[in-house]
Amino acid sequence: ILNVEQSPQSLHVQEGDSTNFTCSFPSSNFYALHWYRWETAKSPEALFVMTLNGDEKKKGRISATLNTKEGYSYLYIKGSQPEDSATYLCAFVNAGKSTFGDGTTLTVKP
Amino acid sequence: DSGVTQTPKHLITATGQRVTLRCSPRSGDLSVYWYQQSLDQGLQFLIQYYNGEERAKGNILERFSAQQFPDLHSELNLSSLELGDSALYFCASSPSGNYNEQFFGPGTRLTVL
Repeated sequence: ILNVEQSPQSLHVQEGDSTNFTCSFPSSNFYALHWYRWETAKSPEALFVMTLNGDEKKKGRISATLNTKEGYSYLYIKGSQPEDSATYLCAFVNAGKSTFGDGTTLTVKP
Repeated sequence: DSGVTQTPKHLITATGQRVTLRCSPRSGDLSVYWYQQSLDQGLQFLIQYYNGEERAKGNILERFSAQQFPDLHSELNLSSLELGDSALYFCASSPSGNYNEQFFGPGTRLTVL
């Protein structure tokens, strides 16, 4: 059974704070790592697909880095806004199968 | 709106019954994925189809089956339903495989009474 861990489980920050969370995954047989943003009562929304060691992706104020050798990915949010409040999920893809972490729930207070 | 549609939105049925969930992928997407989210569990990958063929299988019970049709829509069949099958079932689609972003549908909420 593959183990994908996300930390912290939840995070409360003030508007304007920058924050980051971690996704840890097995360092062998890596295919891809997906990051999703999941708002309450909605569907998961793809943020990034990370495929190469050293890969760094950016979308607006959100960026992600990848270290496949040590088995982790970081998601960074710069200058958090209340609309960033959501659960952020990572999914480790191996042999076509996705294994999800439990997510980090971010709450941004105005 | 992701462009992925799922029907029905809600389904209430009894134990022992059989139901079919339907998914239409985004235009041009060849891969369809099915996921289950139960109350006490995170998102679980069930199965992936690519252009009509099964490509990857996850924690899908033997009572469950899926298929992808020539028009690329997919159906997930759940039979001999148990209370524990109550969950939110998502379908997602992508252009091809694991290196593509997946676009999730709105989900089907299944309640088994």
